[in-house]
Amino acid sequence: EPEVTQTPSHQVTQMGQEVILRCVPISNHLYFYWYRQILGQKVEFLVSFYNNEISEKSEIFDDQFSVERPDGSNFTLKIRSTKLEDSAMYFCASSEHDSYGYTFGSGTRLTVV
Amino acid sequence: RKEVEQDPGPFNVPEGATVAFNCTYSNSASQSFFWYRQDCRKEPKLLMSVYSSGNEDGRFTAQLNRASQYISLLIRDSKLSDSATYLCVARKGGNKLTFGTGTQLKVEL
Repeated sequence: EPEVTQTPSHQVTQMGQEVILRCVPISNHLYFYWYRQILGQKVEFLVSFYNNEISEKSEIFDDQFSVERPDGSNFTLKIRSTKLEDSAMYFCASSEHDSYGYTFGSGTRLTVV
Repeated sequence: RKEVEQDPGPFNVPEGATVAFNCTYSNSASQSFFWYRQDCRKEPKLLMSVYSSGNEDGRFTAQLNRASQYISLLIRDSKLSDSATYLCVARKGGNKLTFGTGTQLKVEL
């Protein structure tokens, strides 16, 4: 079964450092997403991406965040200057069509110390 | 008011029991609905979409009542492997999914 791959599975970084979380969506999918889940809380939408541009973003997705599809396979989330409150599980997802359910990757656990 | 509201549980049920979860959503513009399953510290996995006519997938039945803005999930003959958190999810339009906080199910011997 096709899957969304995320790397690394766990990243520890110091406050103020930049991190890049990487995702390889399912190859024939056209819509890409980032969500996050702070421990014990609900899954929250960050951003959606289609046709090489952001189609929607949440209030969480401020100027510290950016996304990129640098080549035909990778989809990255960059946090420029991490804060303690950025510690969370970050899930990448993709879908073939915007009305279909998503397939989520297994997540990157980001710990900011 | 939360956009998608669920009873957090936990629901502790014996193996073989039937269990039902409910969910309400506040935004009447929500267009499509899903149930996802999430195991501890894992990613959400799509369990099923929810249609107004009701739909069934094996032991799982989902219902949507647009008038009451209410969604349900029924699990029959529950198995130990059904133990997880069940997430009610709404989509208004566009791509963004709005998740509830989830209902925890524990199936016991």
